[in-house]
Amino acid sequence: EVQLVESGGGLVQPGRSLRLSCAASGFTFDDYAMHWVRQAPGKGLEWVSGINWSSGSIAYADSVKGRFTISRDNGKNSLYLQMNSLSAEDTALYHCAKDLHATSWSRGSPFDYWGQGTLVTVSS
Amino acid sequence: EIVLTQSPGTLSLSPGERATLSCRASQSVRSGYLAWYQQKPGQAPRLLIYGASTRATGIPDRFSGGGSGTDFTLTIRRLEPEDFAVYYCQQYGSSPKTFGQGTKVEIK
Repeated sequence: EVQLVESGGGLVQPGRSLRLSCAASGFTFDDYAMHWVRQAPGKGLEWVSGINWSSGSIAYADSVKGRFTISRDNGKNSLYLQMNSLSAEDTALYHCAKDLHATSWSRGSPFDYWGQGTLVTVSS
Repeated sequence: EIVLTQSPGTLSLSPGERATLSCRASQSVRSGYLAWYQQKPGQAPRLLIYGASTRATGIPDRFSGGGSGTDFTLTIRRLEPEDFAVYYCQQYGSSPKTFGQGTKVEIK
């Protein structure tokens, strides 16, 4: 059974940093691109960042470019999101999500499994 | 960036009725790389349709997707009580992989 479990969220002051983690199991982690998608309270979904299986291809939404860094450790079946210079606009539930298609970075793939998310609240 | 606009914002229907949801893209979606997701309160999104018209594993055949280019639809043939939820479209053919703002299907 595929499982994605996020952790690392919490209350943080504006301008500070936070590192999110996503522990994956139930599939061959290093075959798939992975993503972070966030959802502000009561709002819609916003894709944040994605990384291919080898970490050779990475992309960010403009809203986080230069502040957030995505990474993965295939030996630990884990995905990470380092978030710096946080602001109130970053307050959201952060989900990690898995590509449906293996090794599909250039071909494009929807997301077939999602974690329940970890809540990040940026407030003084 | 491809902007996806979903309509209507809210759809009020009764169980057994047919639901038709629209997703319009600001530019053509490459290779029909358009997906639909269902989200219920307190739950993660669930993939329903990808490639504009292919049902994901385990999705009932009352759900169908169609369209190409810039105009896509999700149809729910006969609404079951568990179908009342928020539905999002997503294009995944180009970066950033944008989502629409969602359509809420509520019980009338």
